[in-house]
Amino acid sequence: NAGVTQTPKFQVLKTGQSMTLQCAQDMNHNSMYWYRQDPGMGLRLIYYSASEGTTDKGEVPNGYNVSRLNKREFSLRLESAAPSQTSVYFCASRIDRGRETQYFGPGTRLLVL
Amino acid sequence: TQLLKQSPQFLSIQEGENLTVYCNSSSVFSSLQWYRQEPGEGPVLLVTVVTGGEVKKLKRLTFQFGDARKDSSLHITAAQPGDTGLYLCAGAGIEEKLTFGTGTRLTIIP
Repeated sequence: NAGVTQTPKFQVLKTGQSMTLQCAQDMNHNSMYWYRQDPGMGLRLIYYSASEGTTDKGEVPNGYNVSRLNKREFSLRLESAAPSQTSVYFCASRIDRGRETQYFGPGTRLLVL
Repeated sequence: TQLLKQSPQFLSIQEGENLTVYCNSSSVFSSLQWYRQEPGEGPVLLVTVVTGGEVKKLKRLTFQFGDARKDSSLHITAAQPGDTGLYLCAGAGIEEKLTFGTGTRLTIIP
């Protein structure tokens, strides 16, 4: 039982390049989330998926797209990376939208030059 | 946007001392969670408080939810080096989406 896994762990991009961050969970959770973490700002929600087949915008969705490929996988895509997207990205999952525990992956550290 | 401000932002104390971290907002939350994050890892849930005025204890950690459900505190008694980390509060709002606080980076000096 690996929990929440993310790939890659590190990535360096040039401005304008695109990439997809992958996330998978093996806990049969319905809800999945993408956050970014920046110094002094905590974690901010980018997009979330309450269930397979649905996605919704969070607090900071601009410049990102997501795909809930199936119940296990939730990917985050940067179509044209910008330096402002340099951050640490965390994927999380929760069994439902209630008050249960949200489990986080180890993060992807992204640097956009 | 619901904002959660934590204080202090940084705290460095000697092993054995007590400390309190605060999490404040002008918004009401249905519940509030506290997480601890180690370097290079994702946050891990410590506790969830739901009722205004609720107090929960986790060994040497005491968590309190404000009566109006707008604020919370984390008190650590006799801090140990293993308590070092980034502490994050997170309030649950509409559709139980979490709004995270700005974080408190705690360092316990042996």
